[in-house]
Amino acid sequence: QKEVEQNSGPLSVPEGAIASLNCTYSDRVSQSFFWYRQYSGKSPELIMSIYSNGDKEDGRFTAQLNKASQYVSLLIRDSQPSDSATYLCAVNKGGGSNYKLTFGKGTLLTVNP
Amino acid sequence: DTEVTQTPKHLVMGMTNKKSLKCEQHMGHRAMYWYKQKAKKPPELMFVYSYEKLSINESVPSRFSPECPNSSLLNLHLHALQPEDSALYLCASSQGHGGAGYGYTFGSGTRLTVV
Repeated sequence: QKEVEQNSGPLSVPEGAIASLNCTYSDRVSQSFFWYRQYSGKSPELIMSIYSNGDKEDGRFTAQLNKASQYVSLLIRDSQPSDSATYLCAVNKGGGSNYKLTFGKGTLLTVNP
Repeated sequence: DTEVTQTPKHLVMGMTNKKSLKCEQHMGHRAMYWYKQKAKKPPELMFVYSYEKLSINESVPSRFSPECPNSSLLNLHLHALQPEDSALYLCASSQGHGGAGYGYTFGSGTRLTVV
């Protein structure tokens, strides 16, 4: 089982719709969770972080974490064409100075005008 | 300054060359990282530096040699690379080590082509 798995996509939604991106992780000791957005040819950009169970909202983005189910999700409300990108789920675990951030394969989202 | 600056942005090198990638941040972050990203793949961790000391080496071949001269600077020295090492090399830094949810800030990357 891979450490971080994302729904394979690609995902296509119309403008104004809600985009739902999902991620599961295998190691229960994982401590913090992130969603990065990566436009083609660019570097990853952090859009959400979460480390407690429940929901965390920031503008049009909501991250959800369920540690019992080892599940992280990202909802994008009122999707815009500018949201079209690859979304990477990342999981951080470790101890002392040995933390590692591991990425899922990413989900390509296309928002159609 | 909230940026991680990487130079050069593009690099073409032969298999017998020696070159270096440079990464700089002035956010006071004490953890710095090198990642490698191939096309249509996620970033893969190569090295972690914590307080200027190498804390994680993900079994990276010795033709890649990292160096952290000070808390703001991270280098990646390249020697005798192979064409399959062609990729986007990303540097990142973070305030802490992630246990409290500190995200990583990535630089714009160096696109490396080995010929």
